[in-house]
Amino acid sequence: EAQVTQNPRYLITVTGKKLTVTCSQNMNHEYMSWYRQDPGLGLRQIYYSMNVEVTDKGDVPEGYKVSRKEKRNFPLILESPSPNQTSLYFCASSSLAGTNEQFFGPGTRLTVL
Amino acid sequence: RKEVEQDPGPFNVPEGATVAFNCTYSNSASQSFFWYRQDCRKEPKLLMSVYSSGNEDGRFTAQLNRASQYISLLIRDSKLSDSATYLCAVKETGRRALTFGSGTRLQVQP
Repeated sequence: EAQVTQNPRYLITVTGKKLTVTCSQNMNHEYMSWYRQDPGLGLRQIYYSMNVEVTDKGDVPEGYKVSRKEKRNFPLILESPSPNQTSLYFCASSSLAGTNEQFFGPGTRLTVL
Repeated sequence: RKEVEQDPGPFNVPEGATVAFNCTYSNSASQSFFWYRQDCRKEPKLLMSVYSSGNEDGRFTAQLNRASQYISLLIRDSKLSDSATYLCAVKETGRRALTFGSGTRLQVQP
C-alpha cells in the first residue's frame, strides 16, 4: 500500500530535550516536506527536500533541522524544543514528474511542556 | 495580508443543500490550484485539482477566476459525510511547495 508513515504519532516532551520525528514514504517520491498545523494559521511549511541530500527552508524553519540521506526518509529534528513548537506536524511527499498531488502522513501531535 | 485566505466558517448546512466556498490568493504568479479535504485530527487528502476551465467530479465543482484571483468549490446535494475542513492550496510557478489556506469547516446536519 502506497503511504507516508510518521513516528511517533503522539509525543509529550519537555523544553530542551532533543527529539526526532521520523517520516518514511514507499512511493519513490523525490519531493518530501514537513508542515506544522496550528489553529487559525493553517498548514505552514517548515522544510522541504527535492531529492537526496537536497534540502531547503520553508516558511517557518527556525528551531528545526532535517536531513535527507535516503530517498524514502526525511526526519524532522528539534534540537532544543520549546513550548511554541507544540503543534500538529505533517510530513508529505510527491513525485516531481506528473501529478502535483501531495500525499500526507497521518500526523504527529507534539506537546512541549 | 495572508497569501491564501479562506473563510474559516463553520458553514452549517442541512443535508441536500448546495454550499460554496471561496479561496483568494494574493500572488498572481500562482500556477496550480487544489482543494484538499481534512477530517478532524486526520491528514489532508487531495479532493480535486482546479483547472482553468473549471472541472467537476460528481457533486463537486471547482472553478478558477484568475482575474479576481480566487478559486471556488461548490458541493451539491450535501451529505453528512461531507462534514470536514476544506483546504485550498496554491502553487507558484517554478516552486514545488504548496501554500495552504487555513481551511473552511463544513458541518452538514441531518
